[in-house]
Amino acid sequence: QVQLQESGPGLVKPSDTLSLTCDVSGYSITSGLYWGWIRQSPGKGPEWIALIYYTGDSYYSPSLKSRVTISVDTSKNNFSLKLRSVTAADTAVYYCARLINSWYWDSWGQGALVTVSS
Amino acid sequence: QSALTQPRSVSGSPGQSVTISCTGTSSDVGGYNYVSWYQQHPGKAPKLMIYDVSKRPSGVPDRFSASKSDNTASLTISGLQAEDESDYYCCSYAGSYTLVFGGGTKLTVL
Repeated sequence: QVQLQESGPGLVKPSDTLSLTCDVSGYSITSGLYWGWIRQSPGKGPEWIALIYYTGDSYYSPSLKSRVTISVDTSKNNFSLKLRSVTAADTAVYYCARLINSWYWDSWGQGALVTVSS
Repeated sequence: QSALTQPRSVSGSPGQSVTISCTGTSSDVGGYNYVSWYQQHPGKAPKLMIYDVSKRPSGVPDRFSASKSDNTASLTISGLQAEDESDYYCCSYAGSYTLVFGGGTKLTVL
């Protein structure tokens, strides 16, 4: 059974870069499927951020594309997120998840709360 | 790419049925049969309840059903139970390898 676990700093200063990693166990990233990041601000619905395939093919939300980079490390079976120039509006719980071919998320990490504050 | 529109809240008594709508556009909900629904309890990650508009993953009770008409998808929960009280979110493929979520609906079991 696949398991996903987010890790990274819980506090980031305004204008800095938010960095998170998602470790995947129980499933090889190179077996296919897409992997992604989703965030959820307090009291709001989820917001899709980015997708990546094990080959490195990546796709981004139009609203965040200019500040986001998603990458994959097949040797470590994980993938990562970088969000640059953060503001308080980027404070959220960040989830990593597995995307099945017909565009639904079947497995999620437990989520990582990231607060942007000085 | 705007968030899909869901009612902020719905409610029902145990045993009753409720329906949650999810309205998008012809570029997302109306354009593809790739709508999914998620249940989220406080402090927990979302859980997949419905995929491909109306399919239920193994382990999801058949009290949960869903459909789509034009630009609106709907999730129906019949025979409401106390444990169904939760937040529900829809999600749709929006073309060009992008996805969009709904704003969420809080279900209260009275």
